Amino acid sequence: DIVMTQSPDSLAASLGERATINCKSSQSLLYSSNNKTYLGWYQQKPGQPPKLLIYWASTRESGVPDRFSGSGSGTDFTLTISSLQAEDVAIYYCQQYFSTPYTFGQGTKLEIK
Amino acid sequence: QVQLVESGGGLVKPGGSLRLSCTASGFTFSDFYMSWIRQAPGEGLDWVSYINSTGNIIYYADSVKGRFTISRDNAKNSLYLQMNSLRAEDTAVYYCVRAFGPGVGAARYWGQGTLVTVSS
Repeated sequence: DIVMTQSPDSLAASLGERATINCKSSQSLLYSSNNKTYLGWYQQKPGQPPKLLIYWASTRESGVPDRFSGSGSGTDFTLTISSLQAEDVAIYYCQQYFSTPYTFGQGTKLEIK
Repeated sequence: QVQLVESGGGLVKPGGSLRLSCTASGFTFSDFYMSWIRQAPGEGLDWVSYINSTGNIIYYADSVKGRFTISRDNAKNSLYLQMNSLRAEDTAVYYCVRAFGPGVGAARYWGQGTLVTVSS
């Protein structure tokens, strides 16, 4: 199984500040035949289902503010929120869909300082 | 717009059974893989099962293999999860999800979830 490890487990940042969440996979998520990286990022607010923010490691979902960006390759990935807003308080998960069982990171709780 | 509505959750004793349903609308259901993902209270996310568009490709997580059965009825735009021999560790909110494309992939669309509680 591919293990997804996020860091940090929790993060407090000030409004307007940059917030960075890291995700590391135990093996490469790059499928060489199509050059796509099978990594997604989700945001979950209390009492709601997760919301897909990023797929293919860096493709932003339609309607997601451009302050959210995904980067990385191979086994190391980053979700960056360029200017933190109050509504960004949530738990963030990375997920690999490269091979079954599809696995998620343990989550990173983002709060306002 | 895409809508996924789960039903069938509830309280069940260990060893019991429950059948979850998901009714889909807003897209051509028969064109897409569908999945169930669960989330135990206060915990992370766990991909339980998926089924392809015709029902002949199915995946189960090891934790549910042999106990859960996924199925679909394309004529009714419905996805199902038959859960047998339930255990306390199956307690979770169960989400019906669809990926951004026709395959499995990242889950773009989620239902609101249905809570399954396994307790005596």
